[in-house]
Amino acid sequence: QQQVKQSPQSLIVQKGGISIINCAYENTAFDYFPWYQQFPGKGPALLIAIRPDVSEKKEGRFTISFNKSAKQFSLHIMDSQPGDSATYFCAASKSNYQLIWGAGTKLIIKP
Amino acid sequence: GAGVSQSPSNKVTEKGKDVELRCDPISGHTALYWYRQSLGQGLEFLIYFQGNSAPDKSGLPSDRFSAERTGGSVSTLTIQRTQQEDSAVYLCASSLGLAGYNEQFFGPGTRLTVL
Repeated sequence: QQQVKQSPQSLIVQKGGISIINCAYENTAFDYFPWYQQFPGKGPALLIAIRPDVSEKKEGRFTISFNKSAKQFSLHIMDSQPGDSATYFCAASKSNYQLIWGAGTKLIIKP
Repeated sequence: GAGVSQSPSNKVTEKGKDVELRCDPISGHTALYWYRQSLGQGLEFLIYFQGNSAPDKSGLPSDRFSAERTGGSVSTLTIQRTQQEDSAVYLCASSLGLAGYNEQFFGPGTRLTVL
């Protein structure tokens, strides 16, 4: 019940296209859902995060869509660029509890 | 200001040797985490320190692994009698406070290779 399931494991998108990564969770007590971005040789860094009181959050080309009833959330990258090529991790947590991480998605943007 | 730093950046050791990995968190961050990331894999939680509370050691894979945090700042992860399966990147992260809602800031990691 503490798992966060992330898909796909890897994704190849053409430059300019939309990249979509999905995550699902079981624990309805989770109320914070961040996405982290990791470039090769670096540690992950927070990209964008959402609370369940909103269904969508947008920051530039990055959007989180949240479906509370389905217990799913997804990351959309619009106008994907080669510089977006990285590994993306979703996560979930609740107050006073540490993050539960998804397995990661390796995204490759083809020029 | 300075981010999370880790040393060494690379460590090659022989099977059976002990290794120590160091993490310097961001000043003022009370929470510190250690993760392990095998090649192309996700983040495996190892241990979590929060202030003066007892650490959450639930992720340590065996009793060969231990960690301490001195003075609420620097942390050392020790692996005794290293095995080849210990080869991975060890990541340290710190955050301002309680784990749930606070952004984790990661260091660059230590790449451990056990021959």
